[in-house]
Amino acid sequence: DTAVSQTPKYLVTQMGNDKSIKCEQNLGHDTMYWYKQDSKKFLKIMFSYNNKELIINETVPNRFSPKSPDKAHLNLHINSLELGDSAVYFCASSPNSDRHENSPLHFGNGTRLTVT
Amino acid sequence: ILNVEQSPQSLHVQEGDSTNFTCSFPSSNFYALHWYRWETAKSPEALFVMTLNGDEKKKGRISATLNTKEGYSYLYIKGSQPEDSATYLCAYSNYGGSQGNLIFGKGTKLSVKP
Repeated sequence: DTAVSQTPKYLVTQMGNDKSIKCEQNLGHDTMYWYKQDSKKFLKIMFSYNNKELIINETVPNRFSPKSPDKAHLNLHINSLELGDSAVYFCASSPNSDRHENSPLHFGNGTRLTVT
Repeated sequence: ILNVEQSPQSLHVQEGDSTNFTCSFPSSNFYALHWYRWETAKSPEALFVMTLNGDEKKKGRISATLNTKEGYSYLYIKGSQPEDSATYLCAYSNYGGSQGNLIFGKGTKLSVKP
């Protein structure tokens, strides 16, 4: 009964490949996010979706494309993987509110992506 | 560029000690401040969300205060236990930022020795 689950936990792949990370939440939340933990250990937002609609798209290469088939799922697809994409990627969700920062984030356990 | 600074970076205390650490953020256009607890090999877990200057929140032995005018928040742990060992993250948002965009600090890593 994991609240926010993401798969796979580990992903090792070669440069140039295309890969996807899946995220599902069973909390009934309207807003989902993708965060990247960079090399300096900061968590930085990549995308935010509210009810399947993109509301935040930070400066992220267009090789990264989020897909939200329904409000319980937000998948991250990455094309033409590069060495610099190696990082830990976290999915998160929060309840809908006028501004989402009023509510705490519920995080998944992260996906460690290694590009060789 | 909006920065969130947390200090110290790491902290080692003995079981039973009380401790506190700081989160500093830009004071202008403040909207919300979050604290999260992040244990190794797990996901960050929300502790507090604070929005008003002077807010004080408490959960068991952990409490937090907020000063939006001077741009800081303190997290206090009373009588630290080994299970409190984790990285404590704070995150901030302001009115000028994208809705839902939390800016995270690097965290304070707490180790509690039995």
